[in-house]
Amino acid sequence: DTGVSQNPRHKITKRGQNVTFRCDPISEHNRLYWYRQTLGQGPEFLTYFQNEAQLEKSRLLSDRFSAERPKGSFSTLEIQRTEQGDSAMYLCASSLVGSGRNRYEQYFGPGTRLTVT
Amino acid sequence: AQSVTQLDSQVPVFEEAPVELRCNYSSSVSVYLFWYVQYPNQGLQLLLKYLSGSTLVKGINGFEAEFNKSQTSFHLRKPSVHISDTAEYFCAVSEAGYSTLTFGKGTMLLVSP
Repeated sequence: DTGVSQNPRHKITKRGQNVTFRCDPISEHNRLYWYRQTLGQGPEFLTYFQNEAQLEKSRLLSDRFSAERPKGSFSTLEIQRTEQGDSAMYLCASSLVGSGRNRYEQYFGPGTRLTVT
Repeated sequence: AQSVTQLDSQVPVFEEAPVELRCNYSSSVSVYLFWYVQYPNQGLQLLLKYLSGSTLVKGINGFEAEFNKSQTSFHLRKPSVHISDTAEYFCAVSEAGYSTLTFGKGTMLLVSP
C-alpha cells in the first residue's frame, strides 16, 4: 500500500494556459475525491467518482474544470484557460465503499500546488 | 447543507501542556465528524472520527475528541503536547451515510519548548 500519489507536486503556469493534474488512489479504493485548498482555508470539495462514474460536482467546479477517471483507477483534473484565482493546492483523496467502519475514511495525497502568474 | 466553525485560527501552547482545539458544526441532519492533521507541505492525515456509539473517541498520537450533540461540538484534546504536534488541524463533517466532507478553516497548533 503506497498511499495516494499526486503529480506534479508543483505547477507554475501563465494565465490562460491549460494544466492537468493526476491522482493515483490506493489500489483497492473505488471512490476518488478532488478538493481545492486556498491559503488560510480548509479544503473545499470539488467532485468525486465511484469507479469511473462522476457522481457529484460542486458549484465551485466551473466549466473550465473537468475531471475524469476513465478506467476507475487514476484520475485527472484539467483546468482550461487558467486564471490567477485558480492558484491553490489541489488535493486528491480516496476511500473504499463497503462494510465496516473505515468506509467513511478518506485518505489524502500530498496535493498539487498550482501557481498561476 | 453543513458548516463547520473552528473558533481559533491559532493556538500557542508550551510543550507538555494540555490543549483543546474547538470545533462547532451546523447541520439539519445526522452527521459524521472527523479531525484531520496537516503537516507543512503534506496532505491530510485522519486523527479520529465519530460515526456513532460512544461520544468519546480516541485517535492516533494521543488525541481524543468528544461529540456533544446538544452543543453541536466536537472538540479535540490532548493531555500533553509535543513539539512534533505543531501542525494545522482541521475539523470536518459529513452528512451521515454520505461521503463528501465539509471542512472548517483550520486551527494552527504551535507548540513551543
